[in-house]
Amino acid sequence: QSALTQPRSVSGSPGQSVTISCTGTSSDVGRYNYVSWYQQHPGKAPKLMIYDVSKRPSGVPDRFSGSKSGNTASLTISGLQAEDEADFYCCSYAGSPWVFGGGTKLTVL
Amino acid sequence: EVQLVESGGGLVQPGGSLRLSCAASGFTFSSYSMNWVRQAPGKGLEWVSYISTSSSIIYYGDSVKGRFTISRDNAKNSLFLQMNSLRDEDTAVYYCASDWSYAFDRWGQGTLVTVSS
Repeated sequence: QSALTQPRSVSGSPGQSVTISCTGTSSDVGRYNYVSWYQQHPGKAPKLMIYDVSKRPSGVPDRFSGSKSGNTASLTISGLQAEDEADFYCCSYAGSPWVFGGGTKLTVL
Repeated sequence: EVQLVESGGGLVQPGGSLRLSCAASGFTFSSYSMNWVRQAPGKGLEWVSYISTSSSIIYYGDSVKGRFTISRDNAKNSLFLQMNSLRDEDTAVYYCASDWSYAFDRWGQGTLVTVSS
């Protein structure tokens, strides 16, 4: 199973919006509505931000939203804040395995 | 407070074995499927293995199939990963994570496994 494709880096200024894409195939992202997104700060464990493509766990700000079209999922972060600077990973259920994206470094300028 | 605490990591030679443990507290461990996810130094996340609540369903990633064995003890709120025939490329921080709707909702702090001679 190949990894999902994410941009290596994205950036934005405080208050702006950024979108991170996650491209898979018809066997993973395109087939299942089980795309999740994780935020990871340096030296910390990942944190679930979005599951089931667009659902937010309790405690995650509504500035974070997810969507999917075809084989590509997206995470949008609106009203960027300094503390949003982190690595973000997408993940898709793909039958018995799960497959992650390579990760995107978000820089808040 | 929900907690997942991994242990058992360390330095091991290629071809060696190691057993990781994950102690769960603050939630009903027996009601959740569990996973191991790893992260090589400076690299991204890689899903390793999955076990259902009753241990009846188990999956492994292709890179560890035949070498790693996942198990759990619901009476002791514990998850395990037996790792045999370790390779250099198995060097990583290993996280245990609970499953929620095919996502990983709770994570431990991770335990570092270093495979090197």
